[in-house]
Order: sequence, then structure tokens, then C-alpha cells
Amino acid sequence: QSALTQPASVSGSPGQSITISCTGTSSDVGAYNYVSWYQHHPGKAPKLIISDVSNRPSGVSNRFSGSKSGNTASLTISGLQAEDEGDYYCNSYTGDSTLLVFGGGTKLTVL
Amino acid sequence: QVQLVESGGGLVKPGGSLRLSCAASGFTFSDYWMTWIRQAPGKGLERLSHISNIGGRTYYAESVKGRFTISRDNAKNSLYLQLNSLRAEDTAVYYCGSLRYGQIDYWGQGTLVTVSS
Repeated sequence: QSALTQPASVSGSPGQSITISCTGTSSDVGAYNYVSWYQHHPGKAPKLIISDVSNRPSGVSNRFSGSKSGNTASLTISGLQAEDEGDYYCNSYTGDSTLLVFGGGTKLTVL
Repeated sequence: QVQLVESGGGLVKPGGSLRLSCAASGFTFSDYWMTWIRQAPGKGLERLSHISNIGGRTYYAESVKGRFTISRDNAKNSLYLQLNSLRAEDTAVYYCGSLRYGQIDYWGQGTLVTVSS
């Protein structure tokens, strides 16, 4: 199972919106509505911010939203804030013995 | 609330062994498949291994197959990862997590494993 494809980096100014893409195949992202996004700050545990393509866990800001079209999932962060800076990873259910596949991660810089 | 707390990391020489533990609380541990994920310095997240809720099914990434062993004790709400024949490239922060359809709802804070002579 190859890794999902994410851009290595994205950036935006405070208040702006950014979108991070996560491209897989018809065997993972395209096949299941089990795509998650994680926010990871250095030295801390990754945090689930979107599950099941677009579900926001309790306590996660509504500035984070997720969607999917075909084999590509997307994470949109609106109203960028300095604290949003960090690494973002997507992952998808694969339905086979590997169970899950990660994207390579995207570094978000808030300018 | 849900808590996953890893322990057992440390400095070990190449070829050495470590046993990582993950203590779970706040949820019905025996209902969940569990996973170990690691992040090497400067790298992304790497899935290592997962185990079914009653331990009958396991999976290992090629990078650790034959060297690492995942196990669990549902009576103790604990997940384990035995690391043998450690190499420098195994240096990483190791996280445990609870799985739901390949998605990791909860993560531990991580434990650092450093393999160096």
C-alpha cells in the first residue's frame, strides 16, 4: 500500500483559509468514507481533528472542515491562527490486512 | 476521559531489546483494535503494527516484521510492543493508538526510543 500524497508544505496569513489535499487510490480514499486528519505539534501527541471524512470530534474548532471527492480528500482550515501552525497528516482505511495508510504529512506555516 | 500512556522507551545499543507498554483507561479497551505508530526524527508517521481487540489478529510493517511483536492484556487494559534486534533506524518516538476503521481516535503522548552505541 503506497502512502497517500500530501503537499509537503502550505502557508497562509492569519485570517486566511488554506486547503490541504490528500490523494490516494480507488482502494483506499476512494473506496471508504474513513479518512482522518491529524494535527501534530512537535513534542506532542498527534490530535484527531477530522474523522470519517468530515466529522469533527468534540472540542475541535469549527474552523477545521473535511471533504472528499473521488480519490482525494481535503482539509480546510479557515480563519488561520498562529496556533494552527504545525504538521498535518491524513490517513485512510484500506480494507485489507494493512488496515490503514498515512499521508506523508504537510507542514503548515502561518505567515 | 480517554487516556493512553506509553512507557518503556530509552537508550539501547544496536542489537538490543526494549518492551514498550501502553496503559489504557477511560474506554472499554477490549472493544478496540490497537496500533503502534512511530515517528523518526524529521520523518512522517509510520504505521508499525496493529492487533485485533481480542488479540487473534496482528499485522506488522515490513520494516519491523520478525523483530517486533505486538501483544495485549485486556485484563490489564494494556498494549505492548516487544522490540528486538534494534537498529539505528528504529530511533523514533513510538505512539500507541486506538483504531476504528483504520482511524486513530486516541493517541498516547509517545515514548522515545534511541538506538545508539
